[in-house]
Amino acid sequence: QVTLKESGPTLVRPTQTLTLTCTFSGFSLTTRGVGVGWIRQAPGKAPEWLALIYWDNDKRYNPFLKDRLTIAKDTSKNQVVLTMTNLDLVDTATYFCARRSVVVGATDWFDPWGQGILVTVSS
Amino acid sequence: QSVLTQPPSVAGAPGQRITISCTGSSSNLGAGFDVHWYQQFPGVAPKLLIYGNTNRPSGVPDRFSGSKSGTSASLAITGLQAEDEADYYCQTYDSSLRGYVFGTGTKVTV
Repeated sequence: QVTLKESGPTLVRPTQTLTLTCTFSGFSLTTRGVGVGWIRQAPGKAPEWLALIYWDNDKRYNPFLKDRLTIAKDTSKNQVVLTMTNLDLVDTATYFCARRSVVVGATDWFDPWGQGILVTVSS
Repeated sequence: QSVLTQPPSVAGAPGQRITISCTGSSSNLGAGFDVHWYQQFPGVAPKLLIYGNTNRPSGVPDRFSGSKSGTSASLAITGLQAEDEADYYCQTYDSSLRGYVFGTGTKVTV
């Protein structure tokens, strides 16, 4: 059974740096083709993809946010860490991690997702 | 930032058939990238409903079906049930943005 769970602070001050950890089980990030992504969803809004890291340590970022994001993996701990710098009030959202599921020749989708963690940016 | 447009809401009576559209462009759906659909209930994470345009994961009722043509895609729900009340999002990849994109979302009311 594949599961993912997000952890980290739920309240962050403006301009601070946010560090979120995704701890997963049921698969390995050393297996070819596997990836873990981060997606956020502001209250009442659609999900927004943030970043994705692959088994070979290749990384992809949302071009609108890439200057503020860093994604990294720790395969020994089955964890993926997302760092976002210079937080603003508009970064208040629920942050999800999810496994990238892909079939050769198909477009990536995300399944399953973690339960999410609500991060509030407020002074 | 969303490049996939969905109707904000769709309503239907129990037992009816409804469809949700997802309109993209030549850099995403029109470029041949697959569309996927997610169902989300309040307060919980989105759940994969349709992948690869038309495929249902194990456990998803066959009342749900997907299609794609050109720059658009659709999710159909037949035999609408009260438990289908949720938000629905489409998702694909955009080659211009070089990233994954989600639709604007549709709230289904039964």
